[in-house]
Amino acid sequence: QKEVEQDPGPLSVPEGAIVSLNCTYSNSAFQYFMWYRQYSRKGPELLMYTYSSGNKEDGRFTAQVDKSSKYISLFIRDSQPSDSATYLCAMTRSNYQLIWGAGTKLIIKP
Amino acid sequence: EAQVTQNPRYLITVTGKKLTVTCSQNMNHEYMSWYRQDPGLGLRQIYYSMNVEVTDKGDVPEGYKVSRKEKRNFPLILESPSPNQTSLYFCASSTTIQGLRDYGYTFGSGTRLTVV
Repeated sequence: QKEVEQDPGPLSVPEGAIVSLNCTYSNSAFQYFMWYRQYSRKGPELLMYTYSSGNKEDGRFTAQVDKSSKYISLFIRDSQPSDSATYLCAMTRSNYQLIWGAGTKLIIKP
Repeated sequence: EAQVTQNPRYLITVTGKKLTVTCSQNMNHEYMSWYRQDPGLGLRQIYYSMNVEVTDKGDVPEGYKVSRKEKRNFPLILESPSPNQTSLYFCASSTTIQGLRDYGYTFGSGTRLTVV
C-alpha cells in the first residue's frame, strides 16, 4: 500500500468552478503537507504548505489538513484555464524527506 | 535568474551505453536531489545530497550513480542503462533539507530519457 494516495484524474471542470483536489495518507508521523503544481513539460513548483490541521488561504487557493482523518485537500476558487496542470501533494517524514502523491491532472474548460 | 538547469532535455540511447545527465543550480543551495517520474507512481527519489561530497540513496537508487564535487553541480550517471530506466528525470534543489518545508524545491525542466 502506498503511503500517499492521490486520484490521478483527469478531473475536468468548467471555468469558474470550485475545484477540490485530495490526498489521503497512512503514516500519522507525517508533519508538513505541501501542494505542488506541474505544468506540462515543466518541473513542479511549490504552491502552498501547511503544518497544522485546519485551513490556509493564499488568494484563490485554500489548503486544508485533517490529521485525524489523514486527509488533505486543495481548493481552487474561480478556476481559470491557466490552472490546468497536474497537482501533486507531498508530505514530510520526521527526517524531512518528502513523500509524493502520484498527482491529479486538472483540466479547466473555457 | 535563479534556476536549476538540466541537460539534455531529451535523450534516446541504447541499452548498456553509459550516459550522464547534468544538473547545475545557481542559488547556492546545499540540498540537491534526483527524482524520476513515472505515470501512476509519481516522483520517486533516486539520490540526494546534503552538501558537497555528501550523497545518499533515495528510494530507487539501483542502476544510478551521483557525485557532488562542487556545490552547484549534481550529475546523474547511468553506467549501463536498461529499458526500465526509461522515464522523466528531474533534478531539484533547496536551501537545506529543512528548507524543503518552508521554501520547497526548485526543480529543473526535466530530462526525458528513452532506453531502447
